[in-house]
Amino acid sequence: QVQLVESGGGVVQPGRSLRLSCAASGFSFSSHGMHWVRQTPGKGLEWVANIWHDGSNKNYVDSVRGRFTITRDNSKNTVDLQMNSLRAEDTAMYFCVRDASYFGSGTYFGFFDHWGQGTLVTVSS
Amino acid sequence: EIVLTQSPGTLSLSPGERATLSCRASQSVGSNFLTWYQQKPGQAPRFLIYATSTRATGIPDRFSGSGSGTDFTLTISRLDPEDFAVYYCQQYGSSSWTFGQGTKVEIK
Repeated sequence: QVQLVESGGGVVQPGRSLRLSCAASGFSFSSHGMHWVRQTPGKGLEWVANIWHDGSNKNYVDSVRGRFTITRDNSKNTVDLQMNSLRAEDTAMYFCVRDASYFGSGTYFGFFDHWGQGTLVTVSS
Repeated sequence: EIVLTQSPGTLSLSPGERATLSCRASQSVGSNFLTWYQQKPGQAPRFLIYATSTRATGIPDRFSGSGSGTDFTLTISRLDPEDFAVYYCQQYGSSSWTFGQGTKVEIK
């Protein structure tokens, strides 16, 4: 079955960096776009970034553009999120998420069908 | 960016009652691109309905979705004890994905 396992969360000081990683299994990883979504008690769910199935295109929410970078390695079935210049408002649970549509399916629905259990990032001095 | 506003914030109902949850968008959303999720405490969200009205595999038919343009609705016809949770709508448009702030359905 589909499994997404995040790692790399922790406590970090403002201005520092952290790298999250997600290990995927149980599906054809190179056929699906992947996303990072974060959740805070105050702001709810927020999409952070996505990367196309082949890594050729990436998108970011405005609040992280220029600070966060999403990458993937289809040979290792992993997707990473490099987070630089972290701020207190980046504190959240970060979920690795699979895009439901797959390359070649013909129709794009724009939703997420599998989620990891999340990794907690706390930005605090 | 399309902003989704869900109402009410909290819905207090009894098992067996009908729940009607609203999701209003700041701009028109394509009908293929409106999705509903359920989240229970300590768990990741799971998708219930996509493309406005298509139930995910295994989702009971007491869940239904409807709407178009800027107004969408999730209806739970008869609440089961396992349905008490937080529900989020989500849209896709112009390489951006956004969520509503959620509606909590709690036991009255």
